[in-house]
Amino acid sequence: DQQVKQNSPSLSVQEGRISILNCDYTNSMFDYFLWYKKYPAEGPTFLISISSIKDKNEDGRFTVFLNKSAKHLSLHIVPSQPGDSAVYFCASITQGGSEKLVFGKGTKLTVNP
Amino acid sequence: DVKVTQSSRYLVKRTGEKVFLECVQDMDHENMFWYRQDPGLGLRLIYFSYDVKMKEKGDIPEGYSVSREKKERFSLILESASTNQTSMYLCASRNFRGLAGGLGKNIQYFGAGTRLSVL
Repeated sequence: DQQVKQNSPSLSVQEGRISILNCDYTNSMFDYFLWYKKYPAEGPTFLISISSIKDKNEDGRFTVFLNKSAKHLSLHIVPSQPGDSAVYFCASITQGGSEKLVFGKGTKLTVNP
Repeated sequence: DVKVTQSSRYLVKRTGEKVFLECVQDMDHENMFWYRQDPGLGLRLIYFSYDVKMKEKGDIPEGYSVSREKKERFSLILESASTNQTSMYLCASRNFRGLAGGLGKNIQYFGAGTRLSVL
């Protein structure tokens, strides 16, 4: 049973526009959420995270929004740049629980010049 | 900066061979993890280790074993490689109790990956 779902396998946007990547989760015990970015032939790199006690966290061009009642989070990239083209993974964890990150299957973002 | 180093970027092995994938981290992290990444399946946890000589099965441990004799090193072993183990293997580490503490402890740092082909 997939606890973390990224329903869009791919997303294409124009340079300078907003990219919105979505993630849904089913486990209400998750209380911390992370986004990772992965280029081909490289390991994932941590991008941004949010605790369940917040509904928004911003870091430069990247903002993560959390809607706990809907069990939904999203990553906004504004403005999008060609270098943002990568696969983005959403991950969730229950702190004090199994301590394992549960990953979604990823969304491949393509930013066109 | 945290550095997680995987010994090989690319490996080609034959069916039935015993394969060792090595991972070293230089930040004295307690926790280490092995994942595999396959198209359309995302990252799946194979094994993880809370600390030296400790190991726990992840979601897909079958056909794999691990070894953690020293804190900085976590090895993944394919006892008898099979073609369905052709994949990208990713190692990660996490500072669970260190200065990063608090919410930073949830961040896992990944190596560059090993692309394994089993023929």
